Amino acid sequence: QLQLQESGPGLVKPSETLSLTCSVSGGSISSSSYYWGWIRQPPGKGLEWIGSIYYTGSTYYNPSLQSRGTISEDTSKNQLSLRLTSVTAADTANYYCVRSAGLGDLADAFDMWGQGTMVTVSS
Amino acid sequence: QSVLTQLPSASGTPGQRVTISCSGSSSNIGSNTVNWYQQLPGTAPKLLIYKNDQRPSGVPDRFSGSRSGTSASLAISGLQSEDEATYHCAAWDDTLNVDLFGGGTMLTVL
Repeated sequence: QLQLQESGPGLVKPSETLSLTCSVSGGSISSSSYYWGWIRQPPGKGLEWIGSIYYTGSTYYNPSLQSRGTISEDTSKNQLSLRLTSVTAADTANYYCVRSAGLGDLADAFDMWGQGTMVTVSS
Repeated sequence: QSVLTQLPSASGTPGQRVTISCSGSSSNIGSNTVNWYQQLPGTAPKLLIYKNDQRPSGVPDRFSGSRSGTSASLAISGLQSEDEATYHCAAWDDTLNVDLFGGGTMLTVL
C-alpha cells in the first residue's frame, strides 16, 4: 500500500531556507504514471498547491512563491524534496506531500496524501 | 489566493441532505474538472470526488458532485455525524497555471 511520509525541521528562522523530505513506500516515484508534489495549509486556512514534479524531472510551481521554491527527487532513495528560500511567518503551515495522475488535465486529482508536517517560521 | 469561492460554513441534521457550493470563473471551473477533498479534524485531506462527479473506491454513494458553468456543488445525502469535516473544492486555472483550491467549507452536523 502506498504511503507518503514527510519529514523535516519543525522550526525555521525567518530569512532562512525550509527543507522537507517526503519518503515514498509501496510505489516508485520513477513511475511515468504519476506526478508528485507539495501542498501546504496555514493554520486555520485553506490549501495552497506549491508545485509538482514528473518522473522526467520537469517541475511546475505556483507563481505565488515568486521562484523561492524548488522541488527535486532522489530516485535512489524514492524520495522527493522541497526547498523554500527566504521564508517568512507567512510560510508557517502544515506541509503535505501528494500524488496525482496528471496536472492541469482530467487526471489532476491529488489521490494520495502524506499525514503532513507542521513548519513554524519564527526567530 | 482562493479564486474559488466557498462559504466558510454549513450545517445540517442527521439524515438531511446538504449541498456545498464552489464558485469560480471561465479559466478554472468553466474549463477544467473539479475535485473535492474531505478533511476530518486534525487529519490530512482525502480525495472525495474527482472529475466533477466521480467517486474513488470506498467513498459512499451518499456523496455526489456536479458542475454547471463556472460553479460546482458537492451534495451529501443521509448526513451522518462522521461527515463533520471541512470540504475543499479544487480546479486547475488556465490563466494562473496553478491548481487552485477554495477556502474550504466547514460542515457541522447538529
